Amino acid sequence: AQSVTQLGSHVSVSEGALVLLRCNYSSSVPPYLFWYVQYPNQGLQLLLKYTSAATLVKGINGFEAEFKKSETSFHLTKPSAHMSDAAEYFCAVSQYMNTGFQKLVFGTGTRLLVSP
Amino acid sequence: KAGVTQTPRYLIKTRGQQVTLSCSPISGHRSVSWYQQTPGQGLQFLFEYFSETQRNKGNFPGRFSGRQFSNSRSEMNVSTLELGDSALYLCASSPRQPWRDTQYFGPGTRLTVL
Repeated sequence: AQSVTQLGSHVSVSEGALVLLRCNYSSSVPPYLFWYVQYPNQGLQLLLKYTSAATLVKGINGFEAEFKKSETSFHLTKPSAHMSDAAEYFCAVSQYMNTGFQKLVFGTGTRLLVSP
Repeated sequence: KAGVTQTPRYLIKTRGQQVTLSCSPISGHRSVSWYQQTPGQGLQFLFEYFSETQRNKGNFPGRFSGRQFSNSRSEMNVSTLELGDSALYLCASSPRQPWRDTQYFGPGTRLTVL
């Protein structure tokens, strides 16, 4: 079964610094991978997704992630943090069910704190 | 296009009561998924409906149920509420395959069980 691990429940960076949020997954088949962001009192919003096309995926707001099969990782990066990036970030991986369909399994989330 | 809407936004119930939450997906989306979000467990998958059929169900007790109507609107019901059911319930819609398509999330219904 596929699962996803996000290292670090909290990550703190200074404004202008590199953002790196880590996500590792376990899967016996090539999965679909996602990063979603949740701002306070809101639902989740898609940042980017990997669906077996290019391994380097560019998303909204300057974020990107690289699918590395050998490392089973899908880390999220942004070259320069902005105060508005402060939010909770969720990595998600597709998982087969015994119904034959799939579902998304979400990581536990990483809260990004950005200081001036 | 209007986004995903969820009603009510906030709900306070007491143990033993039942509750019904509603979700209106984006027009044209046929898949609706429900998630429970809590600080301790994170986002947990409840179930997914496509064209009025439940395709997948998560590991929740039978007190949690749902349905989808012909216009793709969905409801979830929790019977015999327990304190541990206090959570943010999120609904998400997608065109067909939520494990591959972009899911669009509503703002959630915050349920408090006293």
